[in-house]
Order: sequence, then structure tokens, then C-alpha cells
Amino acid sequence: AQSVAQPEDQVNVAEGNPLTVKCTYSVSGNPYLFWYVQYPNRGLQFLLKYITGDNLVKGSYGFEAEFNKSQTSFHLKKPSALVSDSALYFCAVRLYSGAGSYQLTFGKGTKLSVIP
Amino acid sequence: GAGVSQSPSNKVTEKGKDVELRCDPISGHTALYWYRQSLGQGLEFLIYFQGNSAPDKSGLPSDRFSAERTGGSVSTLTIQRTQQEDSAVYLCASSRTGGGLFYEQYFGPGTRLTVT
Repeated sequence: AQSVAQPEDQVNVAEGNPLTVKCTYSVSGNPYLFWYVQYPNRGLQFLLKYITGDNLVKGSYGFEAEFNKSQTSFHLKKPSALVSDSALYFCAVRLYSGAGSYQLTFGKGTKLSVIP
Repeated sequence: GAGVSQSPSNKVTEKGKDVELRCDPISGHTALYWYRQSLGQGLEFLIYFQGNSAPDKSGLPSDRFSAERTGGSVSTLTIQRTQQEDSAVYLCASSRTGGGLFYEQYFGPGTRLTVT
């Protein structure tokens, strides 16, 4: 079955340390992968996407993600975490839903807490 | 430019009543999506509109849920005979389309629905 998974419900990291939020996927064909962030009481904001090309994708707010085909992963990273990065992070993958229609399927989200 | 807007931001209704939720997509975006986000859950796809094509309704949880999109712009999600399990945040998103590509989605702030 095609799916996306975020194995960690919560990640805690000290301010200034590097952070990683994990995502794995299972799709047929080439994956289209996305990361979104949701700050408290706000809608989701697009961070970055991988469609094709370089495996390291750079996005908003200093975030980047590494596409690893052999490990079917698309982990989100940032070299130095800020307290303001504390939020809920969603990984998403494009899935074919039939009749020429595609949709995004989201992971359950990972709550990132950056500790001052 | 203006983002995706949704109204109302909050809606409290009694069990058994009908509700209508509105979404105004970004101007020029031909694709429009509705999702549901329940407490502790990820995003659940509900319905997808693309231009004048028939909508992808594969995510609607029951026949009490319906949606329409008038003039290829504003969309209304209607829930009839609301139940307590319908309580959630309903998110709308829109995106560009074209060239066979799949573009990132931009989300509205959501409507928080509480069924008492």
C-alpha cells in the first residue's frame, strides 16, 4: 500500500543544535514529496518539496531535506534549531487516486520542541 | 498577495444541525482541496476540485458531507445532520496546475467546528 510515515510523534532538541524530523514513504513510481509546518492555531505552511533533481532540497526558514531513494526517506533537517521552530511538522507524498487525479497524503505529524 | 481565506474561523453547532463552511482560494489557482484535521490525527483528505472536471470525492467520510465549487473559485463544504465525531478543524487548500505538474498547496487558516 502507498503511504507516508513519520515514526516520531515528538522530537525535542536544544536551541542551537541540529535537528532532524524523519519521514519515510512507500509509493510506486517516482515520489513527489513535501514538508509542511503548522504553527499553533494557524494553517499549514509549505516548507519545501522534492520532485526531481538534487537529493538535497533547500526550503524556507533555513530548512532542508534529503531525499534518499534506497532508504525511501525524506528527512527534514536544519543545522541550528531556533526556539521559534517549535511547531508541528507534516511530511506528505503525492498519491494517484484514480481517473487522472492526484492527492497529497500526509503523515500524522511530528511535534518539534526546541528547548532554550 | 491574498492567501486562502476560510469562514467562519470558528463554528459551534448542535448535533443534528447542518453547517456550511466557505473557502476562498488564491486567485488563479485552479485546484482546490478540503481536508479535516482531528485532534491527535493527521490531515484527512476529503475532496478535490480541478477546474471544470468532476471532483474527486473519494475522501468524503459519509453522504452527509458534500461540497461544491462555483465558478471555479469559491467552495462550500456542507455537513448535514452534524454528529459529534464531525468536530475537527476543516482546512482548505489551493494550488496551481498545468503542464502535467503537481504544485504545492497553500492552506487557509481553517474552520474549527465543534458539535455539541
